[in-house]
Amino acid sequence: NAGVTQTPKFQVLKTGQSMTLQCAQDMNHNSMYWYRQDPGMGLRLIYYSASEGTTDKGEVPNGYNVSRLNKREFSLRLESAAPSQTSVYFCASSETSGAGTQYFGPGTRLLVL
Amino acid sequence: DQQVKQNSPSLSVQEGRISILNCDYTNSMFDYFLWYKKYPAEGPTFLISISSIKDKNEDGRFTVFLNKSAKHLSLHIVPSQPGDSAVYFCAAKGGARAGGTSYGKLTFGQGTILTVHP
Repeated sequence: NAGVTQTPKFQVLKTGQSMTLQCAQDMNHNSMYWYRQDPGMGLRLIYYSASEGTTDKGEVPNGYNVSRLNKREFSLRLESAAPSQTSVYFCASSETSGAGTQYFGPGTRLLVL
Repeated sequence: DQQVKQNSPSLSVQEGRISILNCDYTNSMFDYFLWYKKYPAEGPTFLISISSIKDKNEDGRFTVFLNKSAKHLSLHIVPSQPGDSAVYFCAAKGGARAGGTSYGKLTFGQGTILTVHP
C-alpha cells in the first residue's frame, strides 16, 4: 500500500517548455487534488477532481491543465512553463465525506529557469 | 481574502514543555478543521481533526481546541519532543452548507514552523 505517489521528484525546465506531473493513489479515493506550495503562502489548490471524469479549477489554475485518467491517476500539465511556476507541487487524495482527510504525496520540486 | 490564517510564522519551545499553535478562520461554513505536519522534502501528513460541533479532540500528545465564537482553533502538543520540529498547517473543510465549489475542499493556513530544542 504505497498511498499517494508522484513522479518526478525534481525537475528543471526552461521557460516555455512543457511537462506533465504524474500522481497515482491506491486508497480507492474518489477525490484527488493538485496543490502548489510557495514560501509564506501555505498550500494553494490548483485543480481538483471530485470523482472520476470530473475536474474543476481551484484557487490558482492559470497556466495549468489536468487530466483524471481513471480513479487512480490524476496528472497536472504545464503547457508553457514560466518562472512564476517554480514551486513544490503536491498531489493529494481523499474521500469527500466526514472530515475529508486528504493524504498527500511526497511532492515534486519544479524549477523553471 | 485569506479565510484561514496562522499569524505566527514560527514558534520555539523547550523539550518537555507545551507547544501551542494557533489558527484563525473567517468562514462559519467550515464543518471540519484539520492539522497537518510537514517535514522538509516530504508531503504533509495528517495529525488530528475536529468537527465543528465539538470543542476538543485529543489523540495522545496532541489536543485540538475549537472556539467557534472566536473562530479560533489551537493545537497543543504536550510534552513537546525534538522530533516534533516541523511546519504545522491548519486547514478547514467546506461543509455541505458551503455548497457549490467549496464543499469538501480544504483551505490551508500559511503554516507555523515549530522548533523544539533539546
